Amino acid sequence: DARVTQTPRHKVTEMGQEVTMRCQPILGHNTVFWYRQTMMQGLELLAYFRNRAPLDDSGMPKDRFSAEMPDATLATLKIQPSEPRDSAVYFCASGLGGRSTEAFFGQGTRLTVV
Amino acid sequence: DQQVKQNSPSLSVQEGRISILNCDYTNSMFDYFLWYKKYPAEGPTFLISISSIKDKNEDGRFTVFLNKSAKHLSLHIVPSQPGDSAVYFCAAISNRGGSEKLVFGKGTKLTVNP
Repeated sequence: DARVTQTPRHKVTEMGQEVTMRCQPILGHNTVFWYRQTMMQGLELLAYFRNRAPLDDSGMPKDRFSAEMPDATLATLKIQPSEPRDSAVYFCASGLGGRSTEAFFGQGTRLTVV
Repeated sequence: DQQVKQNSPSLSVQEGRISILNCDYTNSMFDYFLWYKKYPAEGPTFLISISSIKDKNEDGRFTVFLNKSAKHLSLHIVPSQPGDSAVYFCAAISNRGGSEKLVFGKGTKLTVNP
């Protein structure tokens, strides 16, 4: 059963705390995306990786956000320090890249920063 | 700068009738377009796509039309069913230069009434 797995599904944290979201892409997929969904902006691309290398993170606030792929089975998105405006649903998606641009999404992490 | 625009936040149709969801884009470099469907508390799932070399792609009840000169695409669902009630996202991508940014619109919430 191939699927993108994200943990945690829900996270409530206090402002200023560090938050780490994890994603396990579908085995064999070489492209990983991080998206943030808010009511105002819809689905915004934060960063994406190809073969574990970051290709574009221009959508990510650099001062507090960081994205990494320690290995092919794990992608992380970290916020430090977190702020109330970071409250959103964060989605990870993976794909095969190239002309096959269909991306498979995880169920998301709903983050609430109070 | 919203490169992919879905100007209707919501749409309501009667079961059995046609649903037409619209999407406009501004970036002439986009050459591949996708529609995703999203249920509450789940990640978006791929529905149908179209390459810029085509003007129509059909998959069962779902048809996507592309008008490149108008930079407009639409998703037709015929006949609409209550299970089609979801948020539909239009997305676009430019594969030139190796970039694979999947840019999404803000979504249209479709409600199909029994």
